[in-house]
Amino acid sequence: AQSVAQPEDQVNVAEGNPLTVKCTYSVSGNPYLFWYVQYPNRGLQFLLKYITGDNLVKGSYGFEAEFNKSQTSFHLKKPSALVSDSALYFCAVGNTGRRALTFGSGTRLQVQP
Amino acid sequence: EPEVTQTPSHQVTQMGQEVILRCVPISNHLYFYWYRQILGQKVEFLVSFYNNEISEKSEIFDDQFSVERPDGSNFTLKIRSTKLEDSAMYFCASRTSGGAYEQYFGPGTRLTVT
Repeated sequence: AQSVAQPEDQVNVAEGNPLTVKCTYSVSGNPYLFWYVQYPNRGLQFLLKYITGDNLVKGSYGFEAEFNKSQTSFHLKKPSALVSDSALYFCAVGNTGRRALTFGSGTRLQVQP
Repeated sequence: EPEVTQTPSHQVTQMGQEVILRCVPISNHLYFYWYRQILGQKVEFLVSFYNNEISEKSEIFDDQFSVERPDGSNFTLKIRSTKLEDSAMYFCASRTSGGAYEQYFGPGTRLTVT
């Protein structure tokens, strides 16, 4: 069975500071990893993905994530946070055999002005 | 930019009633999914649909649930006899084929069962 852990319910960061939202996963075979963001009363918006290739992947709105196979992690990062980045962030995993996504419990990012 | 759309945005129904949640996936997408999110909990996979048949379903997707693609654009989720515990946000998602594995989600339908 595949699973995702997001150990922090909430991350607080000051505007302009770097941010990291943590994610670890468990899956059989090669993982397909995704980050989604959810704003209030909205659906899940795709941010970025890792399928294969470079361990550092870049996505929308200046976000990036680093795939670490040995630590089974896929942390979301941004060099300089904006107040508008405040939202709920979900990490998700799939694999070749199971394209259905398994989501983490979500991390609320709060960026203070 | 193409989007997944869902109707209605909010559905209130009485326990035991049938509901149909509707989705219009992105037009060139071939894989379709339903997920749900009970308030304050994780997003959970329900079912995936490809080539006019269910390709995978979770243990949540029991005989009370069914999916259909009645025409070339709509994708529906039916709950035959709703229970209180079916109250949740239901998300439809779709993706194209090939190497683009990311799924695109609709805004969701909030189902409230009273």
